[in-house]
Amino acid sequence: QSVLTQPPSASGTPGQRVTISCSGSSSNIGSNTVNWYQQLPGAAPKLLIYSNNQRPSGVPDRFSGSKSGTSASLAISGLQSEDEADYYCAAWDDSLHGVFGGGTKLTVL
Amino acid sequence: EVQLVESGGGLVKPGGSLRLSCAASGFTFSSYRMNWVRQAPGKGLEWVSSISSSSSHIYYSDSVKGRFTISRDNAKNSLYLQMNSLRAEDTAVYYCARDYLGSVSNDYWGQGTLVTVSS
Repeated sequence: QSVLTQPPSASGTPGQRVTISCSGSSSNIGSNTVNWYQQLPGAAPKLLIYSNNQRPSGVPDRFSGSKSGTSASLAISGLQSEDEADYYCAAWDDSLHGVFGGGTKLTVL
Repeated sequence: EVQLVESGGGLVKPGGSLRLSCAASGFTFSSYRMNWVRQAPGKGLEWVSSISSSSSHIYYSDSVKGRFTISRDNAKNSLYLQMNSLRAEDTAVYYCARDYLGSVSNDYWGQGTLVTVSS
């Protein structure tokens, strides 16, 4: 069982806006920044959002992140077929461990 | 161009050992914290270990503490993971990753190396 809790699946139609939640605790999300990763089938993960809401160079602005208290969210607007992937949240924990969410499989209908 | 290339994976018997390497290029390796992250077949990502830029701070997940040792050689731009007392549950693809801000913000990843622990 993962320290950070994500819904196992999410779905949307092209053009739609979808959000993926990530719930943690005061020792991880509550006191540290959250990062989001996208993993396409058979590929290494890709950093999508860092420091709660910052996009690395090259990541479309359709992807956005937010954090409130001990929870965080990833929003994808203007959903496209190529967004179909697994999405993971991650954060540092004050117990001196890195922690990941269990992952959310996004299906574009 | 930033590149991370893992090597050293393979098939090993339970109780055996393996040493993974990660060769870094295209950036100032000695300036970054580095992480090992693994992914069991069909499962999610799991943080394994982190090492600070100067090796002064090292952290392990509870699942590998006491069995795995992370190290780095900044002169050789290389990261290592010595894995001892391997178990079936250690079977996974192991990725090395550069931690951009030292908070599991891994901005570059290797292609991964598969470790299979089986008799």
